[in-house]
Amino acid sequence: NAGVMQNPRHLVRRRGQEARLRCSPMKGHSHVYWYRQLPEEGLKFMVYLQKENIIDESGMPKERFSAEFPKEGPSILRIQQVVRGDSAAYFCASSLSGDTQYFGPGTRLTVL
Amino acid sequence: KNEVEQSPQNLTAQEGEFITINCSYSVGISALHWLQQHPGGGIVSLFMLSSGKKKHGRLIATINIQEKHSSLHITASHPRDSAVYICAVTWRRRSQGNLIFGKGTKLSVKP
Repeated sequence: NAGVMQNPRHLVRRRGQEARLRCSPMKGHSHVYWYRQLPEEGLKFMVYLQKENIIDESGMPKERFSAEFPKEGPSILRIQQVVRGDSAAYFCASSLSGDTQYFGPGTRLTVL
Repeated sequence: KNEVEQSPQNLTAQEGEFITINCSYSVGISALHWLQQHPGGGIVSLFMLSSGKKKHGRLIATINIQEKHSSLHITASHPRDSAVYICAVTWRRRSQGNLIFGKGTKLSVKP
């Protein structure tokens, strides 16, 4: 049973470009969470999704950021018009029914 | 003041020592999580608990709800235990996915 998969593992973008981060949860998991870890800082919650629904997006910046978890396919975290301050590690986690979360390896985004 | 405080921030131990990492929180919670972040950045969920004590191998996690405090213990520590240990809570007023994280305790175990 494969764990949580994230791709790409490393992503480099220039200021103003779009970044798309993908997360495939563990098989059978319908709860997905996105977290951000800025350099030298702790993890911060961004958004919690269940299939086709956003449950809690209180940690997500109001502009430029969006997330989805469609009926088919991976969850996508999309950052439009990236800025240098978006450089961070983005972790996705999944759970079966809201209990223990299993984390992916993360995507390290660098904005030049 | 952070809602989740961990101590110590950094900890160096000799192989074989018994290690304790503490976590205090200031909000009403529905669950507390202990995570391990490896030097390469990967994160592993160690425990999720809402009362009492849990044990897995050489790791033990306890929580005291009345005192809003949790401890993570490592018995017979080993260099491979070197990592950042993170405490996180699920605040009762927020969704179960909305974790509040401590800043982590960086543990280094010397051979």
